[in-house]
Amino acid sequence: QKEVEQDPGPLSVPEGAIVSLNCTYSNSAFQYFMWYRQYSRKGPELLMYTYSSGNKEDGRFTAQVDKSSKYISLFIRDSQPSDSATYLCAMSLNSGGSNYKLTFGKGTLLTVNP
Amino acid sequence: SQTIHQWPATLVQPVGSPLSLECTVEGTSNPNLYWYRQAAGRGLQLLFYSVGIGQISSEVPQNLSASRPQDRQFILSSKKLLLSDSGFYLCAWSVFVGQPQHFGDGTRLSIL
Repeated sequence: QKEVEQDPGPLSVPEGAIVSLNCTYSNSAFQYFMWYRQYSRKGPELLMYTYSSGNKEDGRFTAQVDKSSKYISLFIRDSQPSDSATYLCAMSLNSGGSNYKLTFGKGTLLTVNP
Repeated sequence: SQTIHQWPATLVQPVGSPLSLECTVEGTSNPNLYWYRQAAGRGLQLLFYSVGIGQISSEVPQNLSASRPQDRQFILSSKKLLLSDSGFYLCAWSVFVGQPQHFGDGTRLSIL
């Protein structure tokens, strides 16, 4: 079983739709949960992150963590064509010592059609 | 605010030639620095990380090496490039290990 699994898509939605992006993971010790947005030919941009569990909201974006189900989600409300990108989830153990790695999903390609 | 710079943005090199990619971070001190390679369909692969000047850890044995000559400078090198070294190379930094990382815009390397 892979440590982090993410549906690669592609996902195509009309402008204004609510988008749900998801990742599942197997390591219950993960503490940091991150979402990155990557435009074509650019580096990943950190969108949001949460530590431990719960929800976090930033404008049109909401990140949720369900540690009991080992499942994280990113919701995008009122999606815009500018949201078209690949979205990567990433996770890590608590900081310190040898726990330096981020474990990434392979990304979901999202297209928002005007 | 902190910024990370990578150059060049694109590079085309012949097989067997040397390589030097540079990454610098501004606006922070003693960052943790990372080199990744991103291949289509294969996700992000961590190549090297550094917690301080002269301290380099390698994740994957390969044809590449890394150096950190200054606090906010990270260099990826090769003495002789292979065709398999083609890819998208990304530099990243974080305040503490294990915490969210911030990426540069990458270098797209093509080997001919």
